Amino acid sequence: AQSVTQLGSHVSVSEGALVLLRCNYSSSVPPYLFWYVQYPNQGLQLLLKYTSAATLVKGINGFEAEFKKSETSFHLTKPSAHMSDAAEYFCAVRPNQAGTALIFGKGTTLSVSS
Amino acid sequence: DTGVSQNPRHKITKRGQNVTFRCDPISEHNRLYWYRQTLGQGPEFLTYFQNEAQLEKSRLLSDRFSAERPKGSFSTLEIQRTEQGDSAMYLCASSPDANTGELFFGEGSRLTVL
Repeated sequence: AQSVTQLGSHVSVSEGALVLLRCNYSSSVPPYLFWYVQYPNQGLQLLLKYTSAATLVKGINGFEAEFKKSETSFHLTKPSAHMSDAAEYFCAVRPNQAGTALIFGKGTTLSVSS
Repeated sequence: DTGVSQNPRHKITKRGQNVTFRCDPISEHNRLYWYRQTLGQGPEFLTYFQNEAQLEKSRLLSDRFSAERPKGSFSTLEIQRTEQGDSAMYLCASSPDANTGELFFGEGSRLTVL
């Protein structure tokens, strides 16, 4: 079964520092991959998605992620953290069958200090 | 507001009572998904519909849980004889496109079972 593993349940950075949130997937074929963000008391919002086109994917709010097949990774980065980036981030994989539900990782909480 | 709508947003009930949650998806979306999210975990898939047909159910969906989407529009998730372990956030999502798998989430319905 396909799955995603998010390394680090909690990441803390200073404002202006690089943000790196790690995600590794397990799949025998390149899957569709997603990053979602969840702010307190809100629903999940799509940050970006990889659907087998360009391996470097740019998303909203300055985030981007790079699909690396050799490392089975899809890490999320942002060059300079902002206080408003503090939230929970989820990596998700879509199994190869069309229409099936996304499988989510356990999430990484990002804290940003001034 | 044309996003996914869920109600009630919060529900507190006593163990053994029945509860029902409603989800109104984005109007042109034909796929609808239910997930459950507990503290410190990512969303866990429960079930999904294409139009009115329930196409997949997770093993997490015990016989006390039932979901319907009678006319292919809104959906309900009913939990009978609630247990304390049912306390969670119940998330609904809809999708316009089976191929990319991108999901649009509502803000969730939080259930507390006393």
